[in-house]
Amino acid sequence: SQTIHQWPATLVQPVGSPLSLECTVEGTSNPNLYWYRQAAGRGLQLLFYSVGIGQISSEVPQNLSASRPQDRQFILSSKKLLLSDSGFYLCAYDTILAGVLNEQFFGPGTRLTVL
Amino acid sequence: AQKVTQAQTEISVVEKEDVTLDCVYETRDTTYYLFWYKQPPSGELVFLIRRNSFDEQNEISGRYSWNFQKSTSSFNFTITASQVVDSAVYFCALSKGDSNYQLIWGAGTKLIIKP
Repeated sequence: SQTIHQWPATLVQPVGSPLSLECTVEGTSNPNLYWYRQAAGRGLQLLFYSVGIGQISSEVPQNLSASRPQDRQFILSSKKLLLSDSGFYLCAYDTILAGVLNEQFFGPGTRLTVL
Repeated sequence: AQKVTQAQTEISVVEKEDVTLDCVYETRDTTYYLFWYKQPPSGELVFLIRRNSFDEQNEISGRYSWNFQKSTSSFNFTITASQVVDSAVYFCALSKGDSNYQLIWGAGTKLIIKP
């Protein structure tokens, strides 16, 4: 079966510190991978997506970056966190089989607080 | 441009009442997908339904039903005999229709079911 993992679950970091959030997917090959951010009480904002190893597309310019070193691993990073980076970060994946889009499945999320 | 509108920011009903969550979308694509997700207080997004643009059949799953009408570009979600466990934020989403299939998300509707 397919599963998606994210860690850590919660994180409190000081302004200016680095960030690394990791997401891994099991049970599927060549997934599309996504990073979303959700501010408190708001909708989802797509940050990055990846259709393959080393391929990253950015939707919103900011001080965050993403990398995909392996087929089923997606990492969200920052060199220096800002207060505005606080939020709930969700990783998701979907697959396209025989030209048919399957739904996105989401990880449990990481709640980041920047102080 | 694609767009998803969930005009109801928050809905509050008493348990056992029926409730309908509205979703109106805009797209010029002839092939697209529509989705509903549930986000309970725990934060994880739970997939509820996917519908492609060529399938206008309404769907019923237990107490949940969905009404897809291309003529009005709507994909509404009804919960019959609501329960407290239905309390959550519900998101409607539209696939972008290009090869990457990113989702366009509505802002979400917060549903509060009072005992």
